[in-house]
Amino acid sequence: GQQLNQSPQSMFIQEGEDVSMNCTSSSIFNTWLWYKQDPGEGPVLLIALYKAGELTSNGRLTAQFGITRKDSFLNISASIPSDVGIYFCAGRSGGSNYKLTFGKGTLLTVNP
Amino acid sequence: SQTIHQWPATLVQPVGSPLSLECTVEGTSNPNLYWYRQAAGRGLQLLFYSVGIGQISSEVPQNLSASRPQDRQFILSSKKLLLSDSGFYLCAWSRAESSTDTQYFGPGTRLTVL
Repeated sequence: GQQLNQSPQSMFIQEGEDVSMNCTSSSIFNTWLWYKQDPGEGPVLLIALYKAGELTSNGRLTAQFGITRKDSFLNISASIPSDVGIYFCAGRSGGSNYKLTFGKGTLLTVNP
Repeated sequence: SQTIHQWPATLVQPVGSPLSLECTVEGTSNPNLYWYRQAAGRGLQLLFYSVGIGQISSEVPQNLSASRPQDRQFILSSKKLLLSDSGFYLCAWSRAESSTDTQYFGPGTRLTVL
């Protein structure tokens, strides 16, 4: 089956620092999604990307759909303590109308 | 606006007991519905998805089953729970149009099998 390689697995940063995480795939995706999950809660959609090369921002978050359609990155600028959580990438290929493939997540810890 | 609910929020069950988790969506019609399990290792595993009433697709062979008795209701069941069924169960929905496939998650149910 399809797999997404998400890196890094975890990050420990100081408040105010910028963060970057990415996902790569061996196959082409038509959609890239980024979610954040707080402990004990369901993932919340942060950014959705639907076109190769698309760059989208949501506040301090910026994500890009790679031009090769096999990767995506998420940047967080000027991190704050409430950014703590697990960040997931997810992608949908053209051969799957309904199913998303998820990365294993990046655990972000922000030290105040 | 659309909302998704899951019930119960937490559940502790003995091995061999039955299970019924419920998911309901409000504010949309004919959604695609999904059940995921999230183990301690953080990854999300798709268990079932449904594109309509009575239409269930299973992704992973297991002792769990799913049903969709109404358009916006999705139920996850088991006749006899195993220890390995412990985990965080997430329901999600997406719009039926294939071009808009963003999935939105519910708050989850924490299941502990003892």
